[in-house]
Amino acid sequence: GAVVSQHPSWVICKSGTSVKIECRSLDFQATTMFWYRQFPKQSLMLMATSNEGSKATYEQGVEKDKFLINHASLTLSTLTVTSAHPEDSSFYICSARVIYSPLHFGNGTRLTVT
Amino acid sequence: GENVEQHPSTLSVQEGDSAVIKCTYSDSASNYFPWYKQELGKRPQLIIDIRSNVGEKKDQRIAVTLNKTAKHFSLHITETQPEDSAVYFCAASIGGGATNKLIFGTGTLLAVQP
Repeated sequence: GAVVSQHPSWVICKSGTSVKIECRSLDFQATTMFWYRQFPKQSLMLMATSNEGSKATYEQGVEKDKFLINHASLTLSTLTVTSAHPEDSSFYICSARVIYSPLHFGNGTRLTVT
Repeated sequence: GENVEQHPSTLSVQEGDSAVIKCTYSDSASNYFPWYKQELGKRPQLIIDIRSNVGEKKDQRIAVTLNKTAKHFSLHITETQPEDSAVYFCAASIGGGATNKLIFGTGTLLAVQP
Protein backbone atom coordinates (compact mmCIF):
# COMPACT_ATOMS: atom_id res chain seq x y z
CA GLY A 1 0.00 0.00 0.00
CA ALA A 2 0.84 3.74 0.03
CA VAL A 3 2.08 3.96 -3.54
CA VAL A 4 2.95 7.33 -5.01
CA SER A 5 3.42 7.54 -8.76
CA GLN A 6 5.27 10.37 -10.45
CA HIS A 7 5.38 11.08 -14.15
CA PRO A 8 7.45 11.55 -16.20
CA SER A 9 10.56 9.86 -14.81
CA TRP A 10 12.78 12.06 -16.90
CA VAL A 11 12.30 14.94 -19.28
CA ILE A 12 14.55 17.05 -21.47
CA CYS A 13 13.28 20.42 -22.57
CA LYS A 14 14.58 23.53 -24.23
CA SER A 15 15.26 26.70 -22.33
CA GLY A 16 12.18 28.90 -22.14
CA THR A 17 9.62 26.11 -22.32
CA SER A 18 7.42 24.84 -19.51
CA VAL A 19 7.32 21.36 -18.07
CA LYS A 20 4.56 19.72 -16.06
CA ILE A 21 5.21 16.92 -13.57
CA GLU A 22 2.38 14.83 -12.14
CA CYS A 23 2.23 13.17 -8.77
CA ARG A 24 -0.50 10.68 -7.92
CA SER A 25 -1.31 8.72 -4.82
CA LEU A 26 -2.54 5.43 -6.24
CA ASP A 27 -4.08 3.63 -3.33
CA PHE A 28 -4.84 6.31 -0.80
CA GLN A 29 -6.20 9.82 -0.61
CA ALA A 30 -3.45 12.22 0.30
CA THR A 31 -4.39 15.10 2.56
CA THR A 32 -1.09 16.75 1.79
CA MET A 33 1.48 16.52 -0.96
CA PHE A 34 4.98 17.94 -0.86
CA TRP A 35 7.39 18.82 -3.61
CA TYR A 36 11.11 18.45 -3.07
CA ARG A 37 14.11 19.26 -5.18
CA GLN A 38 17.35 17.35 -4.97
CA PHE A 39 20.68 18.32 -6.49
CA PRO A 40 23.32 15.62 -7.11
CA LYS A 41 24.77 14.27 -3.88
CA GLN A 42 22.72 16.70 -1.85
CA SER A 43 19.74 16.58 0.44
CA LEU A 44 16.06 16.91 -0.26
CA MET A 45 15.07 20.54 -0.27
CA LEU A 46 11.41 21.22 0.43
CA MET A 47 9.93 23.52 -2.19
CA ALA A 48 6.27 23.68 -1.27
CA THR A 49 3.43 22.07 0.62
CA SER A 50 0.22 21.42 -1.21
CA ASN A 51 -3.21 20.73 0.24
CA GLU A 52 -6.15 19.71 -1.91
CA GLY A 53 -8.30 22.61 -2.96
CA SER A 54 -6.10 25.33 -1.52
CA LYS A 55 -3.11 27.32 -2.62
CA ALA A 56 0.29 25.79 -2.09
CA THR A 57 2.56 27.11 0.63
CA TYR A 58 6.02 27.82 -0.72
CA GLU A 59 9.25 27.69 1.22
CA GLN A 60 11.37 30.78 1.52
CA GLY A 61 13.38 31.42 -1.62
CA VAL A 62 11.15 29.35 -3.91
CA GLU A 63 9.50 31.41 -6.64
CA LYS A 64 5.79 30.64 -6.76
CA ASP A 65 5.44 32.07 -10.26
CA LYS A 66 8.28 29.87 -11.43
CA PHE A 67 7.10 26.66 -9.87
CA LEU A 68 3.34 26.43 -10.21
CA ILE A 69 1.66 23.84 -8.05
CA ASN A 70 -1.88 22.64 -8.48
CA HIS A 71 -3.51 20.16 -6.15
CA ALA A 72 -6.72 19.41 -7.98
CA SER A 73 -7.83 16.36 -6.02
CA LEU A 74 -6.89 14.17 -3.09
CA THR A 75 -4.91 11.94 -5.43
CA LEU A 76 -3.25 14.37 -7.84
CA SER A 77 -0.82 17.24 -7.56
CA THR A 78 1.10 18.83 -10.42
CA LEU A 79 4.26 20.92 -10.52
CA THR A 80 4.82 23.09 -13.57
CA VAL A 81 8.26 24.56 -14.09
CA THR A 82 7.59 27.64 -16.17
CA SER A 83 10.07 29.20 -18.57
CA ALA A 84 12.65 26.63 -17.61
CA HIS A 85 16.34 27.50 -17.64
CA PRO A 86 19.41 25.30 -17.30
CA GLU A 87 19.71 26.16 -13.60
CA ASP A 88 16.30 24.52 -13.09
CA SER A 89 17.81 21.19 -14.09
CA SER A 90 17.43 18.94 -11.07
CA PHE A 91 15.74 15.89 -9.60
CA TYR A 92 12.21 16.74 -8.48
CA ILE A 93 10.46 14.39 -6.07
CA CYS A 94 6.92 14.54 -4.84
CA SER A 95 5.64 12.95 -1.67
CA ALA A 96 2.24 12.37 -0.19
CA ARG A 97 0.69 11.39 3.06
CA VAL A 98 -2.45 11.11 5.03
CA ILE A 99 -2.30 13.35 8.08
CA TYR A 100 -0.26 11.89 10.94
CA SER A 101 0.94 9.06 8.71
CA PRO A 102 4.40 8.49 7.23
CA LEU A 103 5.47 10.29 4.11
CA HIS A 104 5.75 8.29 0.89
CA PHE A 105 7.76 9.41 -2.08
CA GLY A 106 7.23 9.24 -5.80
CA ASN A 107 9.99 7.87 -8.00
CA GLY A 108 11.18 11.33 -8.96
CA THR A 109 11.57 13.26 -12.20
CA ARG A 110 14.95 14.15 -13.62
CA LEU A 111 14.62 17.42 -15.48
CA THR A 112 17.30 18.54 -17.89
CA VAL A 113 16.97 21.95 -19.50
CA THR A 114 19.15 22.52 -22.53
CA GLY B 1 14.88 28.86 10.34
CA GLU B 2 14.45 25.28 11.34
CA ASN B 3 17.21 22.92 10.31
CA VAL B 4 18.45 19.39 10.76
CA GLU B 5 22.13 18.61 10.94
CA GLN B 6 23.41 15.16 10.08
CA HIS B 7 26.81 13.50 10.66
CA PRO B 8 28.88 12.02 9.26
CA SER B 9 28.48 12.88 5.60
CA THR B 10 30.24 9.68 4.59
CA LEU B 11 30.71 6.46 6.50
CA SER B 12 32.63 3.38 5.45
CA VAL B 13 32.37 0.17 7.48
CA GLN B 14 33.33 -3.45 7.04
CA GLU B 15 30.60 -5.95 6.46
CA GLY B 16 29.29 -7.18 9.81
CA ASP B 17 30.25 -4.04 11.68
CA SER B 18 27.79 -1.53 13.09
CA ALA B 19 27.05 1.89 11.64
CA VAL B 20 25.77 4.91 13.53
CA ILE B 21 24.44 8.11 12.01
CA LYS B 22 23.55 11.09 14.16
CA CYS B 23 21.20 14.01 13.66
CA THR B 24 20.32 17.12 15.62
CA TYR B 25 17.28 19.31 15.14
CA SER B 26 16.50 22.86 16.09
CA ASP B 27 12.73 22.98 16.60
CA SER B 28 11.84 21.82 20.10
CA ALA B 29 8.27 21.24 18.92
CA SER B 30 9.35 18.53 16.45
CA ASN B 31 7.63 15.29 17.38
CA TYR B 32 8.25 12.90 14.50
CA PHE B 33 11.61 11.65 13.24
CA PRO B 34 11.80 9.30 10.25
CA TRP B 35 14.84 7.84 8.54
CA TYR B 36 14.95 7.27 4.81
CA LYS B 37 17.27 5.18 2.67
CA GLN B 38 17.93 6.32 -0.89
CA GLU B 39 19.74 4.23 -3.45
CA LEU B 40 21.29 5.94 -6.44
CA GLY B 41 18.66 7.37 -8.77
CA LYS B 42 15.78 6.01 -6.73
CA ARG B 43 13.18 7.38 -4.39
CA PRO B 44 13.79 7.66 -0.66
CA GLN B 45 12.33 4.70 1.21
CA LEU B 46 11.19 4.92 4.82
CA ILE B 47 13.15 2.45 6.92
CA ILE B 48 12.18 3.39 10.45
CA ASP B 49 10.59 6.26 12.34
CA ILE B 50 10.11 7.35 15.91
CA ARG B 51 7.76 9.69 17.68
CA SER B 52 8.68 11.99 20.51
CA ASN B 53 6.89 9.98 23.17
CA VAL B 54 9.29 7.07 22.63
CA GLY B 55 13.01 6.98 23.39
CA GLU B 56 14.00 4.01 21.29
CA LYS B 57 12.58 1.82 18.54
CA LYS B 58 14.03 -1.27 16.96
CA ASP B 59 13.24 -3.22 13.81
CA GLN B 60 15.52 -6.21 13.26
CA ARG B 61 19.01 -4.81 12.49
CA ILE B 62 17.88 -1.20 12.58
CA ALA B 63 17.25 0.93 15.65
CA VAL B 64 16.64 4.59 16.30
CA THR B 65 17.19 6.45 19.55
CA LEU B 66 15.84 9.85 20.49
CA ASN B 67 17.04 12.30 23.11
CA LYS B 68 14.47 15.08 23.27
CA THR B 69 16.35 17.09 25.85
CA ALA B 70 19.44 17.27 23.69
CA LYS B 71 17.38 17.42 20.49
CA HIS B 72 19.23 14.66 18.78
CA PHE B 73 18.42 11.25 17.38
CA SER B 74 20.50 8.47 15.91
CA LEU B 75 20.21 5.57 13.51
CA HIS B 76 21.97 2.34 14.40
CA ILE B 77 22.50 -0.44 11.88
CA THR B 78 24.00 -3.66 13.21
CA GLU B 79 25.56 -6.53 11.27
CA THR B 80 25.84 -4.36 8.18
CA GLN B 81 25.58 -5.96 4.75
CA PRO B 82 26.69 -4.69 1.33
CA GLU B 83 23.05 -4.06 0.40
CA ASP B 84 22.87 -1.53 3.23
CA SER B 85 25.10 0.72 1.11
CA ALA B 86 23.08 3.82 0.21
CA VAL B 87 22.48 7.40 1.27
CA TYR B 88 20.57 7.75 4.52
CA PHE B 89 18.57 10.83 5.42
CA CYS B 90 17.15 11.76 8.77
CA ALA B 91 14.24 14.14 9.01
CA ALA B 92 12.32 16.04 11.65
CA SER B 93 8.75 17.27 11.57
CA ILE B 94 8.13 20.99 11.62
CA GLY B 95 4.78 22.54 12.44
CA GLY B 96 1.68 20.75 13.63
CA GLY B 97 -1.55 19.34 12.31
CA ALA B 98 -2.28 19.83 8.67
CA THR B 99 0.76 22.07 8.18
CA ASN B 100 3.16 19.44 9.46
CA LYS B 101 6.14 19.01 7.09
CA LEU B 102 9.50 17.27 7.11
CA ILE B 103 12.87 18.93 7.00
CA PHE B 104 15.67 16.62 5.92
CA GLY B 105 19.24 16.31 7.06
CA THR B 106 22.11 16.59 4.63
CA GLY B 107 22.47 12.85 4.17
CA THR B 108 25.07 10.19 4.95
CA LEU B 109 26.64 8.05 2.27
CA LEU B 110 27.13 4.64 3.84
CA ALA B 111 29.50 2.23 2.13
CA VAL B 112 29.65 -1.32 3.46
CA GLN B 113 32.82 -3.03 2.32
CA PRO B 114 32.48 -6.79 1.74
